[in-house]
Amino acid sequence: SQQGEEDPQALSIQEGENATMNCSYKTSINNLQWYRQNSGRGLVHLILIRSNEREKHSGRLRVTLDTSKKSSSLLITASRAADTASYFCATDAENQFYFGTGTSLTVIP
Amino acid sequence: DTAVSQTPKYLVTQMGNDKSIKCEQNLGHDTMYWYKQDSKKFLKIMFSYNNKELIINETVPNRFSPKSPDKAHLNLHINSLELGDSAVYFCASSQTYNSPLHFGNGTRLTVT
Repeated sequence: SQQGEEDPQALSIQEGENATMNCSYKTSINNLQWYRQNSGRGLVHLILIRSNEREKHSGRLRVTLDTSKKSSSLLITASRAADTASYFCATDAENQFYFGTGTSLTVIP
Repeated sequence: DTAVSQTPKYLVTQMGNDKSIKCEQNLGHDTMYWYKQDSKKFLKIMFSYNNKELIINETVPNRFSPKSPDKAHLNLHINSLELGDSAVYFCASSQTYNSPLHFGNGTRLTVT
């Protein structure tokens, strides 16, 4: 399976703290994407990082990619209660996306 | 202005029935998808359509059939529903196969 795996499965932090989630995958990729899913809603695209990039920023989000270790991390700085959601990484290979099982993030006000 | 809309949001039906889920996107994207999310939140691709042609078909039972009347629509038909079909089904679209996906809000299917 080329499915990505997020770690940890669940994360609970206080508002204002940083949250770090990791993703590992198995095969070569063209790009890796991170998505957020609020309860009862569809996934929302957050950020895309290409295989030749090592780090990318978008607002409070920072994504890193290490293709030698086949891993990526998503850092959310200065977390807010509204960041409570599940976060998924998705890798593209063979003309399709493979999603992990997600990290459930809870930000306590 | 909902970009990807799917209906119905909830669908409760009995085993053996046939049902359809509709999906429409107004983004002008070339590729549309159906994903199944199980109770553990694992997302698995079922189908994708590019310019009305099926380009991916994972190991999905032939009871499931996608129908695309035009580039903006990709409907999912399910025949002879089984208990194991209970899940949340998401429609998505993208400009190309490796560009960001835009998801609908899902259809929660419950088979009793």
